[in-house]
Amino acid sequence: SQQGEEDPQALSIQEGENATMNCSYKTSINNLQWYRQNSGRGLVHLILIRSNEREKHSGRLRVTLDTSKKSSSLLITASRAADTASYFCATDDNNNDMRFGAGTRLTVKP
Amino acid sequence: ETGVTQSPTHLIKTRGQQVTLRCSSQSGHNTVSWYQQALGQGPQFIFQYYREEENGRGNFPPRFSGLQFPNYSSELNVNALELDDSALYLCASSPGADEQYFGPGTRLTVT
Repeated sequence: SQQGEEDPQALSIQEGENATMNCSYKTSINNLQWYRQNSGRGLVHLILIRSNEREKHSGRLRVTLDTSKKSSSLLITASRAADTASYFCATDDNNNDMRFGAGTRLTVKP
Repeated sequence: ETGVTQSPTHLIKTRGQQVTLRCSSQSGHNTVSWYQQALGQGPQFIFQYYREEENGRGNFPPRFSGLQFPNYSSELNVNALELDDSALYLCASSPGADEQYFGPGTRLTVT
């Protein structure tokens, strides 16, 4: 069963704008990860945030984690057309499985 | 490029048949996980292997089985294929607990 739920399901923005995607989950976690997927291909790891961290940055990516609300957000700043993809959050609860949400489909228009 | 490869890229099978999908992990990655991704959905965890032993399993029936070999390759076997088994099958390897490196996937179509 899926753990996370991304919001919104789809997002369309203009190049240069910021994109924010949210993820909610249900159980306690060790860490939360964000992945990107282009057109039904393999997933690419973007960033991992541990349960004792509140914010993390990687290039144009900023991830926040609020364990009290069981939610996370991914911010992509100064978006580019090449950022067009599906973005998934995945939670690791130390049960040797990783649970993914249904994803947010981001379209960045040039 | 994640260094993880999968074969075949695409596969068409008939309901009731059996299929074997293959994955080659990065050298040194002792953990491999398999996922099923239906169209428009996120990946669903099938099972994980660590050093050739099953180390966790999702909510999939026993007709989904796997093997992991000492040379960092692994297999996913599905018996008695059903139409709902049509999906993208992804393998992911990791050296430890955190980040996983995904292969490009095998697109299985069951008719």
